[in-house]
Amino acid sequence: DGGITQSPKYLFRKEGQNVTLSCEQNLNHDAMYWYRQDPGQGLRLIYYSQIVNDFQKGDIAEGYSVSREKKESFPLTVTSAQKNPTAFYLCASSIGGGGPVTQYFGPGTRLL
Amino acid sequence: GESVGLHLPTLSVQEGDNSIINCAYSNSASDYFIWYKQESGKGPQFIIDIRSNMDKRQGQRVTVLLNKTVKHLSLQIAATQPGDSAVYFCAENSGGFKTIFGAGTRLFVKA
Repeated sequence: DGGITQSPKYLFRKEGQNVTLSCEQNLNHDAMYWYRQDPGQGLRLIYYSQIVNDFQKGDIAEGYSVSREKKESFPLTVTSAQKNPTAFYLCASSIGGGGPVTQYFGPGTRLL
Repeated sequence: GESVGLHLPTLSVQEGDNSIINCAYSNSASDYFIWYKQESGKGPQFIIDIRSNMDKRQGQRVTVLLNKTVKHLSLQIAATQPGDSAVYFCAENSGGFKTIFGAGTRLFVKA
């Protein structure tokens, strides 16, 4: 059963603590993304990765870090530098290529 | 400053009626548009997409209309059901990996 999984579903972060959110996909997609969603707002792009060992900053990358060591995995670390981390975090993936792509989302992690 | 988008536009429809959800997009160069449905506490779910060389596309109980002249997109849901209650948002893409998402419209279906 193909899809995107995120864990944990809820995560409590103590002030000054770094926390890592997991995202795994078995869709064989080349590209993966991390978004932040605040109440009543659209999605804002944190980081994206087009291919293994490569990633690019999105619109709100400050205070976050990522790695892409495997095609299937794209973990997001929320660092202590992120002053307002409470939000719903969504991971997505898509096929690669230069044309427009449809992104498919995981179930999300709520960071409290 | 004021945070726009805290109060999502809301549409309330009677079960069985048709719903029309509207979206204005900003980039004239966008050539691919997607509608997503997001239920409370869940990730967005792909509904339907349309390319800029089309005006209309139909799926199961859903139709997307694209008016490039006024940069307007709409999602029509036929015979709306309680399970359609969710936040719906449109997304635009001008090629490549950067997709811009709207804030969304909350749909309430009254039984």
